[in-house]
Parts: sequence; C-alpha cells; structure tokens
Amino acid sequence: KQEVTQIPAALSVPEGENLVLNCSFTDSAIYNLQWFRQDPGKGLTSLLLIQSSQREQTSGRLNASLDKSSGRSTLYIAASQPGDSATYLCAVKDDYKLSFGAGTTVTVRA
Amino acid sequence: EPEVTQTPSHQVTQMGQEVILRCVPISNHLYFYWYRQILGQKVEFLVSFYNNEISEKSEIFDDQFSVERPDGSNFTLKIRSTKLEDSAMYFCASSERSGVSYYGYTFGSGTRLTVV
Repeated sequence: KQEVTQIPAALSVPEGENLVLNCSFTDSAIYNLQWFRQDPGKGLTSLLLIQSSQREQTSGRLNASLDKSSGRSTLYIAASQPGDSATYLCAVKDDYKLSFGAGTTVTVRA
Repeated sequence: EPEVTQTPSHQVTQMGQEVILRCVPISNHLYFYWYRQILGQKVEFLVSFYNNEISEKSEIFDDQFSVERPDGSNFTLKIRSTKLEDSAMYFCASSERSGVSYYGYTFGSGTRLTVV
C-alpha cells in the first residue's frame, strides 16, 4: 500500500525566504506526482505535475523535483510572499488513484 | 481555464437522510473521480468512473455510496442513510486520460457535507 509522507507538517517563514517542502512515498511504481495547493476550507489547485520519467518541473517561482527511485519529491518556492500561505499537498498516481500526503501548512509572515 | 464545478458548496443533512452531491467535470475529460477529506485528515480516494461504469473503488465506497452520470455533463455521488462519520469535504475530479499518458487531475472546489 502506498504511503505518502510530507515533512515538515508546518512551516513559518518571513517574506522573501525560499521554501523547501518535502514529500516521500514508499512505492516507486508511480506514473507521476502532482503538487497541489489548498487554502483553508477550499478545493485543491494543481501547481505542478511531474511524470515519472521527468526529473523536475518548473512554473514561475515554483520548482518541483522528483527522484522516483528513492521515493522523494521536493517543492521549492522562491522568494515567498504572504499570498503563498496555504497547505501544500503532494499526491502520487499509481494504477488507478492518487495517494495524498497530509500536507505542509505554510505561513509566510509579512 | 476549464473548471470542475461542484454543487452545493455546503450541505447540512440529518443523520439517516440521503444526499446527492453534484459535479460537472471538464467537458473533454473521460475519467471522473470522487475523493473525500475528513477534517484534519488526508484526502482519500473513493471511486473512479469511466465509460459509464465504476472502474475502481476503495474499501470506503460500500453499498451506502453510488455514483451516476445521468446525462452528458453531470456526475453525481449519492450517499444513502448518512452517518455522522460521513461528514467531510467531498471533492470531484476529472482527467483526460489515465494510465501512462496521464495529464493530471483537475479538482473541484468541494462540497462540505455536515451530518447532524
């Protein structure tokens, strides 16, 4: 059974600092990994999708890496802003479903 | 950008009642899903739906639950005889394809179900 772990569970940083969010998974037989953002009481917004054959994916200030063999992904957010405050979820896709981590809750202090 | 639309955004129901949660997936997507998130817990898979039938379901998705695509645009989740523990945020999602050629999931904004 796939287990997805996100460390740390919570993170508080001053504005402008770079963020590093970690995700690990136990079964490397995945098709891809997707990072989502969730604001309190809201839905899931897709940030980045990395296929299993890719090593990284970038979108603006966001960069995600994937090391499938070691079961790890890292989301980097450059020059954080208060608007980046949210919970970030990673999810891995196996044969038929996404398995989610519990998320990292980020607070960016102005 | 195309969206997955869910209605209602919040539903309160009495224990034992039936509820229907509605979703309009992205029009050219072929695969549809329901996930749920109990407060403070991980998002968890309920069911996937393709070609007008269930393709996979989790152990959570028992006889209390059913899904339907009643027309060309809507996708519904019915929960019969609701229990207090069914209180959760329910997310609908859709994707263009599954398997190797995979384009990622698009999630709706969720329906918060509160069973009292």
